[in-house]
Amino acid sequence: AQKVTQAQTEISVVEKEDVTLDCVYETRDTTYYLFWYKQPPSGELVFLIRRNSFDEQNEISGRYSWNFQKSTSSFNFTITASQVVDSAVYFCALSEAYNQGGKLIFGQGTELSVKP
Amino acid sequence: DTEVTQTPKHLVMGMTNKKSLKCEQHMGHRAMYWYKQKAKKPPELMFVYSYEKLSINESVPSRFSPECPNSSLLNLHLHALQPEDSALYLCASSPRGGERQPQHFGDGTRLSIL
Repeated sequence: AQKVTQAQTEISVVEKEDVTLDCVYETRDTTYYLFWYKQPPSGELVFLIRRNSFDEQNEISGRYSWNFQKSTSSFNFTITASQVVDSAVYFCALSEAYNQGGKLIFGQGTELSVKP
Repeated sequence: DTEVTQTPKHLVMGMTNKKSLKCEQHMGHRAMYWYKQKAKKPPELMFVYSYEKLSINESVPSRFSPECPNSSLLNLHLHALQPEDSALYLCASSPRGGERQPQHFGDGTRLSIL
């Protein structure tokens, strides 16, 4: 069965620290997509990245980087030199190819608090 | 500001009231979604519309009734809700639906049932 696990419920860091948010997934499908979303206190989910199951290249976007490893079914997210504005709940999500509706399977979320 | 607009931002209603939540997007997206999110939990999918047709209903109680009048607009009609329906209701859209396209979310409507 498909499942996404974010084992870290809450993380607290001091500004400028690096922080890694873990995401482990389970799926029967060979074609699938992984996503990260950020949910600040205002409520909207902000799309950060999409990765398909055939592309294991790591990606960097400014202070954000993602490490996708199929061998360990993980898609971890690292924020370098964290800032107070990074404080939010971060969700990892999975969507499978057989799923015609594009249903997202979310992890439970990791609440990141960056203190000045 | 998000490109998916939801109104109202906050709604308080009694269990016998009828109200509607609205969602609008002008990105030309053809798939639209309703999610329910309780505090400290991930969003839960309720409905998916694809090309203005209901394609997924995640066994949602009939007191929630979705409507998609056109490709830009999505409504959620509420009637006889229960206190446990209090939550953040999020609308999302994606270009054509399907598993590969990222969904773009609105700010949500915070609903409280008295």
